Amino acid sequence: GENVEQHPSTLSVQEGDSAVIKCTYSDSASNYFPWYKQELGKRPQLIIDIRSNVGEKKDQRIAVTLNKTAKHFSLHITETQPEDSAVYFCAVRAGNEKLTFGTGTRLTIIP
Amino acid sequence: GAGVSQSPSNKVTEKGKDVELRCDPISGHTALYWYRQSLGQGLEFLIYFQGNSAPDKSGLPSDRFSAERTGGSVSTLTIQRTQQEDSAVYLCASSLGGGFHEQYFGPGTRLTVT
Repeated sequence: GENVEQHPSTLSVQEGDSAVIKCTYSDSASNYFPWYKQELGKRPQLIIDIRSNVGEKKDQRIAVTLNKTAKHFSLHITETQPEDSAVYFCAVRAGNEKLTFGTGTRLTIIP
Repeated sequence: GAGVSQSPSNKVTEKGKDVELRCDPISGHTALYWYRQSLGQGLEFLIYFQGNSAPDKSGLPSDRFSAERTGGSVSTLTIQRTQQEDSAVYLCASSLGGGFHEQYFGPGTRLTVT
C-alpha cells in the first residue's frame, strides 16, 4: 500500500517568514495530492490540492509543488501570519484508492 | 448545504460497554471514511467505503471494531467491549468519490472510556 512520510513534525517560524512542509510517497500511480489544515479543536479542511499533471499551484500565500520523478511534494506558506498556526496534513491518492494521510506538521507562528 | 454530521458529539462510556457512533455524509457522496484521532496526534485511518465496492477495512485496529454503511448513505462505527485506549475523537469524512474529489470532514465524536 501507499506510504506517506511528512516532515518536519513540528515547525516554528517568525511571523512574516516562510514555512515549508514536505511529503514523500511511495506509489508511482498516485495522482492527487491535497493538503489539509486542522486548527485546534476543529476538523481538518482542504486548503489546496494538486494533480499529477501539474508541477505547481498557487493560491494567494500558499503554494504546492510536485516532483513526480522524486515522488515528493511540498507546501509553501509565505508571509506567515498568526492564523496560519495549525496542524497541516498532506495526503495522497491513486485513482479510487483511499486517501492516505501523512503524520502531520504542527506549525507555530511566533509573533 | 448541509455538511457531514456525526452523533453523538460526545460519548462517555464505561470500560467493557459497546458504543455506536453515527455518521451522516453529504447527500450524494459515494465515498465515506472513518478516522481516529488521539489528542495531539495524526489521523489514523480505520475504514473506507466506496460505492458498492467491498469496504477497505485494513485500518481497523482489532475485531472489536466494525462499521456498516446502509443504503450507501449513513454509516455506523461500532466498538465492542470498549477499552481505555479507545478514547479518542472519531472523525467521519465523505467525498463525491475517489479521484480528485475533496474530502469533507464531520465535527467528530469525542469518545471517553472510563
